[in-house]
Amino acid sequence: SQQGEEDPQALSIQEGENATMNCSYKTSINNLQWYRQNSGRGLVHLILIRSNEREKHSGRLRVTLDTSKKSSSLLITASRAADTASYFCATALGYKLSFGAGTTVTVRA
Amino acid sequence: DAGITQSPRHKVTETGTPVTLRCHQTENHRYMYWYRQDPGHGLRLIHYSYGVKDTDKGEVSDGYSVSRSKTEDFLLTLESATSSQTSVYFCAISESQGSSYEQYFGPGTRLTVT
Repeated sequence: SQQGEEDPQALSIQEGENATMNCSYKTSINNLQWYRQNSGRGLVHLILIRSNEREKHSGRLRVTLDTSKKSSSLLITASRAADTASYFCATALGYKLSFGAGTTVTVRA
Repeated sequence: DAGITQSPRHKVTETGTPVTLRCHQTENHRYMYWYRQDPGHGLRLIHYSYGVKDTDKGEVSDGYSVSRSKTEDFLLTLESATSSQTSVYFCAISESQGSSYEQYFGPGTRLTVT
């Protein structure tokens, strides 16, 4: 069964706005990863946060992790049309990942 | 796409026929994975490999088998295809980066079983 669950399932925002999506999970993890999938393509790794980290930044991405609540959030700042995609969280235990069902983000021009 | 190719990219087959999907990597990564992606389910792990001839089952392995005779190739076989196996199949690879394993994905194979 899937480990992670994203919320919301879908998100529509105006270009320039921030997009926030959340991920909840159920069991212990080594790290949590976020991936992006453009329509019809494979997933692309965005960012990884280890279980002993609370926050991580990469360009316009900010990820938080709260292991006590078993939750993570991904913030995309100053969104662009090119950010339109599905975003998946994946919990890692060793070399195996468990993916959530994803959040579909649409950025309107 | 990180030196990962999948073939075929699209396939239509009939119920009851065997089907083999191929994943080929040029990265010399140790770990390889097969997932299926269906609407509302995200990606679900079918089988994975942690070395040549070393494979194990994922969460949705029924009806599928795999083989890995070389580091670069990971084959997924649907022994007798069913309509419930209509899906998009993704191969992924990973290698240890300290204690972390980021995965790199192929472009996917869209399989339709009629």
